Amino acid sequence: QKEVEQNSGPLSVPEGAIASLNCTYSDRGSQSFFWYRQYSGKSPELIMSIYSNGDKEDGRFTAQLNKASQYVSLLIRDSQPSDSATYLCAVNAGGTSYGKLTFGQGTILTVHP
Amino acid sequence: EAQVTQNPRYLITVTGKKLTVTCSQNMNHEYMSWYRQDPGLGLRQIYYSMNVEVTDKGDVPEGYKVSRKEKRNFPLILESPSPNQTSLYFCASRAAGGDGYTFGSGTRLTVV
Repeated sequence: QKEVEQNSGPLSVPEGAIASLNCTYSDRGSQSFFWYRQYSGKSPELIMSIYSNGDKEDGRFTAQLNKASQYVSLLIRDSQPSDSATYLCAVNAGGTSYGKLTFGQGTILTVHP
Repeated sequence: EAQVTQNPRYLITVTGKKLTVTCSQNMNHEYMSWYRQDPGLGLRQIYYSMNVEVTDKGDVPEGYKVSRKEKRNFPLILESPSPNQTSLYFCASRAAGGDGYTFGSGTRLTVV
């Protein structure tokens, strides 16, 4: 089983719709969770971080964390063509492994006009 | 401007010729890390460093060396590169207790 798994995609949504991206992780001791966006040919860019169960909202983005289910999600409301990118889920074990950040394979999102 | 700087951006080399990819950050971050990104395999962590003179292996450390003699610099060394090390490499840094890693612009390495 992979440590961090994302819904395989690719995901295509119409402009203005909600895009839902999902991620599961295997290490129950994981403490920090991140969503990165990567445009083609560019480096990953941090867009959301979440550390406790529940929802965290930032503009059009909402991250959701359920540690009991070992599940993290990212919702993008009012999706725009500029949101088309690869979205990467990343999980940090914390503690003495704070420097170790494991990424999922990524989900390619396309928002079509 | 706060940033992570990698050099070179592109590098073509021959099998067995030692090379170093440099990485520097100006944010006084404690943690630094190297990743490689390959199609179908995603981002995989090679090594990370928690502070000066403290490093640890990531998921794919074989064939790589790192050193952290100064807080701002974290070079990646390939002593004897092989074609399977052809990849896109990213350096990244983060503050202790801070959010996730901030990434550099990447180095595309081709080993022939």
